[in-house]
Amino acid sequence: EVVMTQSPAILSISPGERATVSCRASQRISTNLAWYQQKPGQSPRLLIYDASTRAPDTPARFSGSGSGTEFTLTISSLQSEDFAVYYCQQYNNWPPYTFGQGTKLDIK
Amino acid sequence: QVQLQESGPGLVKPSETLSLTCTVAGDSMSPYYWNWIRLTPGKGPEWIGYIYYRGSTNYNPSLKSRVTMSVDTSKNQFSLKLNSVTAADTAIYYCARANSGHFRWFDPWGQGALVTVSS
Repeated sequence: EVVMTQSPAILSISPGERATVSCRASQRISTNLAWYQQKPGQSPRLLIYDASTRAPDTPARFSGSGSGTEFTLTISSLQSEDFAVYYCQQYNNWPPYTFGQGTKLDIK
Repeated sequence: QVQLQESGPGLVKPSETLSLTCTVAGDSMSPYYWNWIRLTPGKGPEWIGYIYYRGSTNYNPSLKSRVTMSVDTSKNQFSLKLNSVTAADTAIYYCARANSGHFRWFDPWGQGALVTVSS
């Protein structure tokens, strides 16, 4: 099973700042990685797939990068609606598909 | 725009069977893969398994012995059964669609159904 490890667990940051969330895979997964956003009381929403391709309706301030075992989600300038939990998910080696444990963006 | 909605009992007794149904609205079930994923506070999402619209399945090895999925394309529904539940199965259960092809991500997700295992 591919273990996905996200860091940090919690990121306290101010609106307008740049946020960076990291995701590491326990084995190489090429670029077969997705990012999701989950706001309180809502279900997860796909943001990015294939490590760097934005899903329809994902704002341009969200970008993804990386390949192999190291991946990054960057939010260029945080808006109030971006404070949420973010998960990475690998789909290179399955079953099972596996997720990271999540990174919560908190308002500083 | 496709929408998914989970339904089923919110409370299940230990050792009994958890049963949930997901209704798909706004699109055909073909040619997609239909998934169940659960989320427990403090942990990342856990993929339970999928059923293809034609009925083939693939389950998480950690849950495989207790999971059964089925599909009814005439009703645009698919279902999950998880037997011999314990408190560790308490979670929010989501249904989600995955794209066709070998490499799959999940989009969209249903709103989720909280299932508590307790006597």
